[in-house]
Amino acid sequence: LAKTTQPISMDSYEGQEVNITCSHNNIATNDYITWYQQFPSQGPRFIIQGYKTKVTNEVASLFIPADRKSSTLSLPRVSLSDTAVYYCLADQSGTYKYIFGTGTRLKVLA
Amino acid sequence: EAGVTQSPTHLIKTRGQQVTLRCSPISGHTSVYWYQQALGLGLQFLLWYDEGEERNRGNFPPRFSGRQFPNYSSELNVNALELEDSALYLCASSRRTGGDVREQYFGPGTRLTVT
Repeated sequence: LAKTTQPISMDSYEGQEVNITCSHNNIATNDYITWYQQFPSQGPRFIIQGYKTKVTNEVASLFIPADRKSSTLSLPRVSLSDTAVYYCLADQSGTYKYIFGTGTRLKVLA
Repeated sequence: EAGVTQSPTHLIKTRGQQVTLRCSPISGHTSVYWYQQALGLGLQFLLWYDEGEERNRGNFPPRFSGRQFPNYSSELNVNALELEDSALYLCASSRRTGGDVREQYFGPGTRLTVT
């Protein structure tokens, strides 16, 4: 099963761009990468998903290099309300057995 | 559009008891997923139901079970509760086709405390 590795925590300041990298060395050819955001005592919220190159939506961008061994979630101009845990998930080759892991705890400082 | 709903919000049980948690997916979603999140930890995949069938389960003992009803709502049952079952239980739903299965919508969760 594909496993993802993320930094445990990150600090940033308001207005900065934040990049969170996820390593996934053994994802299958057709596997997607998905990112979720979770606030305390709430369920995770879908942010973005991608298969290759770059995907952008209204809240974030996802960069996946050609070798697909890692991916980077980019949050432009973060605010205090972006303080949360961010999870990177890799498909499990069609099993739908999503492994969330422990995520990256992002703290945005004023 | 109404989101995923779960009931109850909080629950306190004693060791050895049984508990049933309920989840109603977003209208139009046929897949329901259950996750366990112990305090301070990541989410652990429990079960996936789609079209009334259990499609996959995580590494949990058989005392964790569930079902999905014809209206796609779902129940999670936990028998012989143990202290380490204390956690936030999250339900999520998604559409079944293509990339939509990765876009899961989560409910607020049920906080279970086992004493």
